[in-house]
Amino acid sequence: EVQLLQSGAELKKPGESLKVSCQGSGYSFAKYWITWVRQLPGKGLEWMGRIDPSDSYTVYSPSFEGLITISIDTSITTAYLQWSSLKASDTAMYFCTRHGDIIPYPFDLWGQGTPVTVSS
Amino acid sequence: DIQMTQSPSSLSASVGDRVTITCRAGQSASNYLNWYQHKPGTAPKLLIYGASTLQSGVPSRFSGSGSGTEFTLTISSLQPEDSATYYCQQSYSTTWTFGQGTKVEIK
Repeated sequence: EVQLLQSGAELKKPGESLKVSCQGSGYSFAKYWITWVRQLPGKGLEWMGRIDPSDSYTVYSPSFEGLITISIDTSITTAYLQWSSLKASDTAMYFCTRHGDIIPYPFDLWGQGTPVTVSS
Repeated sequence: DIQMTQSPSSLSASVGDRVTITCRAGQSASNYLNWYQHKPGTAPKLLIYGASTLQSGVPSRFSGSGSGTEFTLTISSLQPEDSATYYCQQSYSTTWTFGQGTKVEIK
């Protein structure tokens, strides 16, 4: 089955670090970029950034540049979204999704989402 | 960033109605425009890509049009299962952006 499987729900304190994962299976992982998308409670979808599995080249939204790190380990077909110091405002649902190299790069497969709660 | 603005932000329509959602780009996005449907508690679903190409498996009552700075998503005959939030998304610039969403409710 072609799928993106994300890691489970997280409850963290402000200032803690976190790494959320997204494992692809059933397809040629290296041929599809991975994007991360945030959804704040009751709000819309926000594009955070993307990574090319072939060379780990990343592009970040200006809104998230310097606040997050997107990485990838092709040996275990897994992408990551990482924070070094969480804030309460990072409380959200996070989705990973993939796109191929065909313009206009639609997101045709999504993970199930990882809810992150940051609270003292 | 290319800012994407959807209108309306929400709408309520009856089963069988024709529904149109507009997405305007702050600068040209060519036809690098995709539409998604998102229901609470689920992952978003790709409906339309390249402004007008229907994704495989998506009902034909969904259609898209437009290019440059103005795009539309049309549901020709609204069904109960179409209750969801719809997002446009541009992939023309280096950094990509979603519209703020349009919530569609069934009367």
